[in-house]
Amino acid sequence: GNSVTQMEGPVTLSEEAFLTINCTYTATGYPSLFWYVQYPGEGLQLLLKATKADDKGSNKGFEATYRKETTSFHLEKGSVQVSDSAVYFCAVGNQAGTALIFGKGTTLSVSS
Amino acid sequence: NAGVMQNPRHLVRRRGQEARLRCSPMKGHSHVYWYRQLPEEGLKFMVYLQKENIIDESGMPKERFSAEFPKEGPSILRIQQVVRGDSAAYFCASSPSSRPGGSTDTQYFGPGTRLTVL
Repeated sequence: GNSVTQMEGPVTLSEEAFLTINCTYTATGYPSLFWYVQYPGEGLQLLLKATKADDKGSNKGFEATYRKETTSFHLEKGSVQVSDSAVYFCAVGNQAGTALIFGKGTTLSVSS
Repeated sequence: NAGVMQNPRHLVRRRGQEARLRCSPMKGHSHVYWYRQLPEEGLKFMVYLQKENIIDESGMPKERFSAEFPKEGPSILRIQQVVRGDSAAYFCASSPSSRPGGSTDTQYFGPGTRLTVL
C-alpha cells in the first residue's frame, strides 16, 4: 500500500533560517500529497497540497513540489519565524482514496 | 463557516467504562474520517463514513470499537470497556467529497478529543 517517510526531528533553527523537511512516498498511481501542521494542543491544519506530478503547493511562505522522479514532496521555507514552531506531517492519499496515510511527524523549534 | 467540531475536548474514563466521542463535520461535508494519534506517533486512520454508511473500517480494531454517522446528528466513535492502551488523541476530519482512483479530497480536521484512561 501507499506510505510516506519523513525525516525525524527535532529540527532546531534560528529565526530567519532556511527550512527543509524531507518527505518521500511510495504509491500506486498518482495520489494527492499533503503537508499538515499541528500546533501544541490543537488539531491538524492543512498547510499545502499537490494533486499531480510537478505541482507546487504553497502557503504562508512554505512550498513543496510533487516530484514523481524522486518520489518526494519536501517542505521548504526560506525564512522561518518563531511562530512556525510546530509539528509538521507529510501525508499521502491511500490507494482506495478513502484515507490519508501520515508520516510520523517532524517537530520544528525556532528560536529568536 | 464553522469548522469541524468535536466534543468533548478532554475525556477521562476508568478502565472498563465506555467512551463516546462526537464529531460534527463542516457544513456541506458528508464524509467523515476518524484517526487516532498515540503519543509520539503520527495519525493512524481508523474509519471512513458517509451518512448512514461505513465505507472503510480497515483501521478500526475488531473489538470494542464502533463508529456511526446517522442521518441526523454527529458522527460517534464509541469505545467499549476502555483499557489504558486506548489513551490517545482522537481526531475527526471531514471532506465534501471523495474522488475515485486513489486521489483523496482535502480533509479538514477538528481539534481532537484527548482520551485518558485511568
